Amino acid sequence: DAKTTQPNSMESNEEEPVHLPCNHSTISGTDYIHWYRQLPSQGPEYVIHGLTSNVNNRMASLAIAEDRKSSTLILHRATLRDAAVYYCILRDPLMYNNNDMRFGAGTRLTVKP
Amino acid sequence: NAGVTQTPKFQVLKTGQSMTLQCAQDMNHEYMSWYRQDPGMGLRLIHYSVGAGITDQGEVPNGYNVSRSTTEDFPLRLLSAAPSQTSVYFCASSRVAGVAINEQFFGPGTRLTVL
Repeated sequence: DAKTTQPNSMESNEEEPVHLPCNHSTISGTDYIHWYRQLPSQGPEYVIHGLTSNVNNRMASLAIAEDRKSSTLILHRATLRDAAVYYCILRDPLMYNNNDMRFGAGTRLTVKP
Repeated sequence: NAGVTQTPKFQVLKTGQSMTLQCAQDMNHEYMSWYRQDPGMGLRLIHYSVGAGITDQGEVPNGYNVSRSTTEDFPLRLLSAAPSQTSVYFCASSRVAGVAINEQFFGPGTRLTVL
């Protein structure tokens, strides 16, 4: 089972910020929080990851709660090309195993022009 | 770099047929994996490999075999196709060192239909 909980769907207007939430109440102290997105008819692509501190890259920002039980992916100005399914995933640093990269159903983001 | 490539893009099989889905990467990644994605669902891990000659089962391995004879290639074999294996299959690769912080690169997928 996925160890994260996300809303099934969200809508945003083009050029407005989008905040995609993720709950991970059973996160361990060493789990990293990763976000991937899947554009229509494509494989998933990496967006961002973090451990404790907030992170920024060219695609998005990741805000991590102080208790690490939740996080929020922030798209600063949504474009039509950001319409995708966004997955929040926990990664165990101890090694790859069959619990790694457990994808839930993700959040389907719709961007309206 | 071509990244992760998968062939074929589409395949239709009859129940009981066997086939091999091909996956290759040119990034010298040690880790490769196979996922399946059913409609409206997230990806589920089938098998993975942390290097040539080393493979292990994921969450849903039944009905699938893998081998890893080279770093570049990680084929997935369906032994006797069943309608329940109708799905989209994704291959992925990444470095092993610093596993929890490494980006996984995914291929474009193979859409398989079993009649």
